[in-house]
Amino acid sequence: QQPVQSPQAVILREGEDAVINCSSSKALYSVHWYRQKHGEAPVFLMILLKGGEQKGHEKISASFNEKKQQSSLYLTASQLSYSGTYFCGTERSGTYKYIFGTGTRLKVLA
Amino acid sequence: ETGVTQTPRHLVMGMTNKKSLKCEQHLGHNAMYWYKQSAKKPLELMFVYSLEERVENNSVPSRFSPECPNSSHLFLHLHTLQPEDSALYLCASSQGAPAGGLNEQFFGPGTRLTVL
Repeated sequence: QQPVQSPQAVILREGEDAVINCSSSKALYSVHWYRQKHGEAPVFLMILLKGGEQKGHEKISASFNEKKQQSSLYLTASQLSYSGTYFCGTERSGTYKYIFGTGTRLKVLA
Repeated sequence: ETGVTQTPRHLVMGMTNKKSLKCEQHLGHNAMYWYKQSAKKPLELMFVYSLEERVENNSVPSRFSPECPNSSHLFLHLHTLQPEDSALYLCASSQGAPAGGLNEQFFGPGTRLTVL
C-alpha cells in the first residue's frame, strides 16, 4: 500500500540531473517531498496537490500526474548538498493518514 | 529553543522498563505526529493529534501510548517493548489539521531507541 519510489539509489556527479519517481496504487489528494540527510531529521521540500500542478524551488521541481497517481521530483545541475534520502509522502482523500514511500538514496560526487 | 525538539536523543531500555519520549514544538502549530523509522524501512506514521485530539492511530500496538496535554507537547509512553521496536522515533508538527494535504511537517531530530 505504500508508494513505490524509483530508483532506489542513484549516484551523480556534481552538475548532473536526476529524476525520482513516486507511484501509488491508490487515488491521491496530495504528494509531499522530503529530504533526509544521514543522522538528521527529514526536511520539507514541497507539496503538490492533484491537478498536475508543478512546483519548483531553485533547481528542484516536481510534478503530480493525477491520472497515473505518480509524482516525479526533478533535480537539475545537482550540488553536493543534494545528497541524502528523498521520501515522497502521500495522502489519500478524506484521511489523516500520511504514507511515506520507500525512499531514494541519492549521492552527489564532486 | 526553536522548531521541534525531542528528548532524550538516545534511549536504551530493557523489555520490562517503562519510559517516555518527549516532543515539544515552538512553532505555534496545531497538529503533532509520531513516526517510527527503522533501518532500511520507510517512515511509518504512528499517531496524529489535531488540536490535542487524537485523530489517527495507525494500528500501533498498545505498548505504545501517546499523550498530548496541549498543542505544544507530545509524549510517547513506552512499556514492555520488544527488541523489534528498536528504531528512530520522530516527532513532527504542522500548522493546521493534517487533512487536506496543505500543511508541511516540521520534524524533530528524533530519539534513537534501543530495546535490549
